[in-house]
Amino acid sequence: NAGVTQTPKFQVLKTGQSMTLQCAQDMNHNSMYWYRQDPGMGLRLIYYSASEGTTDKGEVPNGYNVSRLNKREFSLRLESAAPSQTSVYFCASSPDGGQPQHFGDGTRLSIL
Amino acid sequence: GENVEQHPSTLSVQEGDSAVIKCTYSDSASNYFPWYKQELGKRPQLIIDIRSNVGEKKDQRIAVTLNKTAKHFSLHITETQPEDSAVYFCAASKNRGDKLIFGTGTRLQVFP
Repeated sequence: NAGVTQTPKFQVLKTGQSMTLQCAQDMNHNSMYWYRQDPGMGLRLIYYSASEGTTDKGEVPNGYNVSRLNKREFSLRLESAAPSQTSVYFCASSPDGGQPQHFGDGTRLSIL
Repeated sequence: GENVEQHPSTLSVQEGDSAVIKCTYSDSASNYFPWYKQELGKRPQLIIDIRSNVGEKKDQRIAVTLNKTAKHFSLHITETQPEDSAVYFCAASKNRGDKLIFGTGTRLQVFP
């Protein structure tokens, strides 16, 4: 049982490059989330998808776009990477909102 | 919108002592309160959660209490062990379909 799978695990980009982070869950969950985690800042919600076909902005959406490709997959895109987007990115899923979230192992992204 | 405050930001205890982490929330409609543990370099993992129809929940050495009137909830760890050392996050959300709002985290260190 894989749970939530994120790819890649590590990535280094140059400023201005684009990148898509992939996330897939095999638990038949309706809701999926993207967070970023910076030192001392906790988990900040970038975008979320309450159900297939819907996406909503979270706390820090600027500079990002998302696609809920199907019930299993929720991708995060950086169109023009900036050094301020250097962070650890976590994808999570839950059966519905207001229920336990299961996290992936994270993507460590560095932008030079 | 919902705001979750968490205290303290760091906590150091001797092995065998108890540790208490407190969170307050702003939205009285919140009714789901999970706690996550994140070890260094790992993903956050749910350790215990409570819903607003319950005042206390216990799981071995871990307990969570909820005071709806005061809008605060606390994590209690008894007989702490070095492997309890991690960052702990509280969170709150409302009904189905809603996102989790996380606190900023507490770094717990348990010294042998």
